[in-house]
Amino acid sequence: DQQVKQNSPSLSVQEGRISILNCDYTNSMFDYFLWYKKYPAEGPTFLISISSIKDKNEDGRFTVFLNKSAKHLSLHIVPSQPGDSAVYFCAASPSGSARQLTFGSGTQLTVLP
Amino acid sequence: KAGVTQTPRYLIKTRGQQVTLSCSPISGHRSVSWYQQTPGQGLQFLFEYFSETQRNKGNFPGRFSGRQFSNSRSEMNVSTLELGDSALYLCASSYHGGPSYEQYFGPGTRLTVT
Repeated sequence: DQQVKQNSPSLSVQEGRISILNCDYTNSMFDYFLWYKKYPAEGPTFLISISSIKDKNEDGRFTVFLNKSAKHLSLHIVPSQPGDSAVYFCAASPSGSARQLTFGSGTQLTVLP
Repeated sequence: KAGVTQTPRYLIKTRGQQVTLSCSPISGHRSVSWYQQTPGQGLQFLFEYFSETQRNKGNFPGRFSGRQFSNSRSEMNVSTLELGDSALYLCASSYHGGPSYEQYFGPGTRLTVT
């Protein structure tokens, strides 16, 4: 039973445009959400996070939106750059087990020059 | 500040053998978590250690174990290796204090079981 789902295995976007990556979750106990980026042969790199008490968090070109009622979060990258091409994972954690992350299956983002 | 380091980076073992993987966290980080990444199951949580104590454990058999030393370095051990244990094993460290839940991952150890 996948508690965190990323339904799009891949996404292609033109350089300079917006990239929107989506993630859905089913466990109501999750209250902290994170996005990671992963290049081949490297470990995941932390990008941005959001607590369930917020609905938006921004960090430079990256913005994460959380819709608790829909159990949905999204990562917006504006503007997209070729160096953003990587696999993006969303992850979730319940407050009682803050470091026990449940990951989605990942979305391969390709930014075309 | 140096990142999370994992040794070895690559390992080939035979079914039935055991293996030990090592992880050194970022300086000042006292929490270490381990994850397994496979093409079929994705990234799955194995266990977390803080202050030399296992705090959380994922849904893995008892063949998977770990420990943490007083300097926060951690090891994980897999006994009686099976072909399905072939995976990328990732270690992540985090600062155990305040609201920060962000974990910082090492490059992983690629284990191949033949």
